[in-house]
Parts: sequence; C-alpha cells; structure tokens
Amino acid sequence: DQQVKQNSPSLSVQEGRISILNCDYTNSMFDYFLWYKKYPAEGPTFLISISSIKDKNEDGRFTVFLNKSAKHLSLHIVPSQPGDSAVYFCAASYYGGSQGNLIFGKGTKLSVKP
Amino acid sequence: DSGVTQTPKHLITATGQRVTLRCSPRSGDLSVYWYQQSLDQGLQFLIQYYNGEERAKGNILERFSAQQFPDLHSELNLSSLELGDSALYFCASSVEVVLGPSEAFFGQGTRLTVV
Repeated sequence: DQQVKQNSPSLSVQEGRISILNCDYTNSMFDYFLWYKKYPAEGPTFLISISSIKDKNEDGRFTVFLNKSAKHLSLHIVPSQPGDSAVYFCAASYYGGSQGNLIFGKGTKLSVKP
Repeated sequence: DSGVTQTPKHLITATGQRVTLRCSPRSGDLSVYWYQQSLDQGLQFLIQYYNGEERAKGNILERFSAQQFPDLHSELNLSSLELGDSALYFCASSVEVVLGPSEAFFGQGTRLTVV
C-alpha cells in the first residue's frame, strides 16, 4: 500500500507559467514533508521541506503548501524555467524516534517548454 | 556535488552472483540510508544505519544486507541476484537532529544490471 502518492506521472508547462505538482499521503503520523528534484543520471537533490506545524513554506520560486485535513501537499514553481525540467519526488517522514526513514512517491516528470 | 560518493557507478553481473555496493557519506554525517529505485518505481527505502548501528529497516530482502563501518562508510551486499534486482541503488546521508529529521543528501547511485 502506497503511503505517499503522486498521481500524475508527468506534467508539461510553458516557460514562465506556474507548475503545480501534487502529492497525497495516507499516514496521519507523517509530520515532515520534503520535495526532491532528480535529473537523469544524478541522485535526487533536496529542494524544499515543510513541517506539519506550517501550511506554507517558500523558498524563492518554490512554494510548498500543506493541507493536513486533506492529507495533501503541493509544490508550486513560479515562474517555471526550462532548467526546472526534471523528475520531482515527494517524500514524507516522522519526527522523533525512528527518524530519517523517508517514504517517497513515484515521482512526477516535469517538462518546461521554452 | 552532494558530497556523498557511491561506487561503482555501473555494475553488470549474472544471476546468482553476489555484489557489494559502497557508499561514503558526507563529512560529519552519521546516518546512511540505502534506497532502491526500480523501473517506474519511486525510491524504496531499504535500510538505515546510524553511527555503525542499524537504525531502521524498510523493504529489504533477506538476500540483501548492509553494514556501516567505524569510518562511517557503508556497504550494501546483494546476494543470489535475480533479474528483478536490476535497479538503481542510492545511498544517502544526513545529520541526525534529535528533535526532527533533516534533509538527506543523495549520491549519484549505482546502476545494477543483472543478466
């Protein structure tokens, strides 16, 4: 059973427009969420995170929104650039105890067209 | 460059064989994680070590084992290999923070092909 779901395998956006990547989770114990970006032939790189005490976190062009009641988070990229074309993974984890075990979604491939 | 080094980058081996994947974490990171990414799959957590001790276990097969050495590098051993073990294997490391998780930094991965 997938605890972290990214239901859109791919997304295509025009340069300069907004990219919205979605992620749903089922486990209410998750309280820390991360987005990773992955280029071909490279390992995932950390992009942005949010803890469950917040509903929004912003870093430059990237904003992550968390809706705990809906168990949903989204990553907004504004404006989108061709260099943002990559696979984006959503991941979730717990605070305390057995920490560090990140549960990943299957990823969404973003293509930003010039 | 994430600072996490994985060797080798590519590995081709036959079914039934055994291989060892190696990971050197970022300087100062005590935690090492191993992930498997099969075709069309997300990253599946295999196992975590913290300062030489096993900390958490995920979907790791009994044919697979790992260890973390005193110098903090880690090895993932895969034995009795099957075609379905062909995948990208990623190592990640992080600084454990008592009050919460921190971002893990990933290596470039080892692509294992079992023929």
